[in-house]
Amino acid sequence: DTAVSQTPKYLVTQMGNDKSIKCEQNLGHDTMYWYKQDSKKFLKIMFSYNNKELIINETVPNRFSPKSPDKAHLNLHINSLELGDSAVYFCASSPRNRDPQYFGPGTRLTVL
Amino acid sequence: QQQVKQSPQSLIVQKGGISIINCAYENTAFDYFPWYQQFPGKGPALLIAIRPDVSEKKEGRFTISFNKSAKQFSLHIMDSQPGDSATYFCAAWGDDNYGQNFVFGPGTRLSVLP
Repeated sequence: DTAVSQTPKYLVTQMGNDKSIKCEQNLGHDTMYWYKQDSKKFLKIMFSYNNKELIINETVPNRFSPKSPDKAHLNLHINSLELGDSAVYFCASSPRNRDPQYFGPGTRLTVL
Repeated sequence: QQQVKQSPQSLIVQKGGISIINCAYENTAFDYFPWYQQFPGKGPALLIAIRPDVSEKKEGRFTISFNKSAKQFSLHIMDSQPGDSATYFCAAWGDDNYGQNFVFGPGTRLSVLP
């Protein structure tokens, strides 16, 4: 009964590949987020979705695209992976926009 | 450009001591200031949060002090325990000319010695 879950936990892939990371929350929250944490532990928000509407879109490359099939899911698709995409990606959710956020366990992406 | 500055980068405290982590921001549009705790291999977890209409908030051993005029806020961990050893992030939410903005500080690695 994990509140925010992500799959896979680890993802190792070659440069140029396309990959997806899935996120699901069972908290009934309206807003979901994606964060990137780099090797220096710096956290940066990438996207957030509120009722299937994008409300924050930081200056991330358009190779990254969030897709929300329903309120409980926010998947992250990454095209043409680059070495610099290697990081830990966290999904999070909150009851409403700007409410306290609950983070998933993270997906460690390694691009070779 | 770091919108939220955090110090120190790392902190070593003896068990039972007080851990103090400081953050400063520039954007006066920020109006919500949470602190997150992250253990290795885990996602960040909300610890405590404050809004600028109060100067202090306490939850158990954790206290946030907020100075609106100085645009600074800090986390105090009283009676620090080895189990508190983790990375702590301050963060700030607000609206600016570009819409909503949510930024994290660079983090402080706290080690509490037994």
